[in-house]
Amino acid sequence: GAVVSQHPSRVICKSGTSVKIECRSLDFQATTMFWYRQFPKQSLMLMATSNEGSKATYEQGVEKDKFLINHASLTLSTLTVTSAHPEDSSFYICSARGTPGKETQYFGPGTRLLVL
Amino acid sequence: AQSVTQPDIHITVSEGASLELRCNYSYGATPYLFWYVQSPGQGLQLLLKYFSGDTLVQGIKGFEAEFKRSQSSFNLRKPSVHWSDAAEYFCAVGVPYNTDKLIFGTGTRLQVFP
Repeated sequence: GAVVSQHPSRVICKSGTSVKIECRSLDFQATTMFWYRQFPKQSLMLMATSNEGSKATYEQGVEKDKFLINHASLTLSTLTVTSAHPEDSSFYICSARGTPGKETQYFGPGTRLLVL
Repeated sequence: AQSVTQPDIHITVSEGASLELRCNYSYGATPYLFWYVQSPGQGLQLLLKYFSGDTLVQGIKGFEAEFKRSQSSFNLRKPSVHWSDAAEYFCAVGVPYNTDKLIFGTGTRLQVFP
């Protein structure tokens, strides 16, 4: 149980284009989903927290107009990187929290974004 | 604010040897504590967690961790390491009843030699 999927697993795009990443909780309802960014050989940095049906809460230094987050249902959250640039290249990981184990975040497999 | 320290950036062990990965935290009370493992190019898998109760926690894949309040530590152990355990290990802390903001350590990369 508590499986989280992400799609796509890997994406390459041209500079200036937008990329959407999906995060789904497959076997539980996720009232809260989180988006992290991980640079090579570094730890995870929380970008934003989203609750179903409400606006996401962004961490300090994260541009909300660049990283659009939508949490339209209890099983789906999307992260859209708008007008992507090479410095946005990174590993993006989502996590979801809900029943079972309300206090535990379950992580997706991650999406590697490469912006050329 | 809470913080997490993983003093060892990189650990190398032989297959079959015992393992201990260190994690120290800073928090005014007892936090929620987690260990996650990340294989290359993959997301994080929860190994085990501590919220309260028995300070020795059993997890998946033969891992265990012990919460020591006096030392503010939550070290991860495994009696006999397998080659498949090679990965990055992250310790994380969260505020009880509000794990919106998990704070992750910088990770420990485990290399296993045959």
